[in-house]
Amino acid sequence: EAGVAQSPRYKIIEKRQSVAFWCNPISGHATLYWYQQILGQGPKLLIQFQNNGVVDDSQLPKDRFSAERLKGVDSTLKIQPAKLEDSAVYLCASSLKIAGEYNEQFFGPGTRLTVL
Amino acid sequence: AQSVTQLDSQVPVFEEAPVELRCNYSSSVSVYLFWYVQYPNQGLQLLLKYLSGSTLVKGINGFEAEFNKSQTSFHLRKPSVHISDTAEYFCAVSVRGNKLVFGAGTILRVKS
Repeated sequence: EAGVAQSPRYKIIEKRQSVAFWCNPISGHATLYWYQQILGQGPKLLIQFQNNGVVDDSQLPKDRFSAERLKGVDSTLKIQPAKLEDSAVYLCASSLKIAGEYNEQFFGPGTRLTVL
Repeated sequence: AQSVTQLDSQVPVFEEAPVELRCNYSSSVSVYLFWYVQYPNQGLQLLLKYLSGSTLVKGINGFEAEFNKSQTSFHLRKPSVHISDTAEYFCAVSVRGNKLVFGAGTILRVKS
């Protein structure tokens, strides 16, 4: 079974530029998550989708970050304009959504963003 | 809101020695508890989880953890580590399996 795919794996940009990350979840997984992992910290949830609807985006900096999952499958996370403090690894995860049961999150390899 | 504290940022240990990575959590409601491992340039992999039932949980690669409700702890242990266990380990909590809240991580360095 293929895992969660992310691209690109690495990206270097200058501040004030824009950048986009792509995630393809495991086939059949209705729930998709984007996490930000700053060096020396644990991952922090940015946004959670169920199918193509947003479940939780309370920690997404909406003035510069946006995300979409138009067809309920793959997803794109965008930053515009980027700031130095956005340098981090962006992790995508997916899970099934079976009501009343624990649904394990499976993580992709991440995209390492460096903002200069 | 939930929070997780991992008490050690780095733990150096010699190969074949035992190790304990400490994790304390804060929550006003019942939580699920997790340990994840992250190898360099890779995503997170689930080591083990506590959902309910027995407080001693066994995971992959010989790791185990014990849920202690009175001390709000979920420490990770392994009786004998290998060089290949060198990685960063994250403790996490969630309420009813929803949003994961992670600790800052502990880097385990196994020396020969």
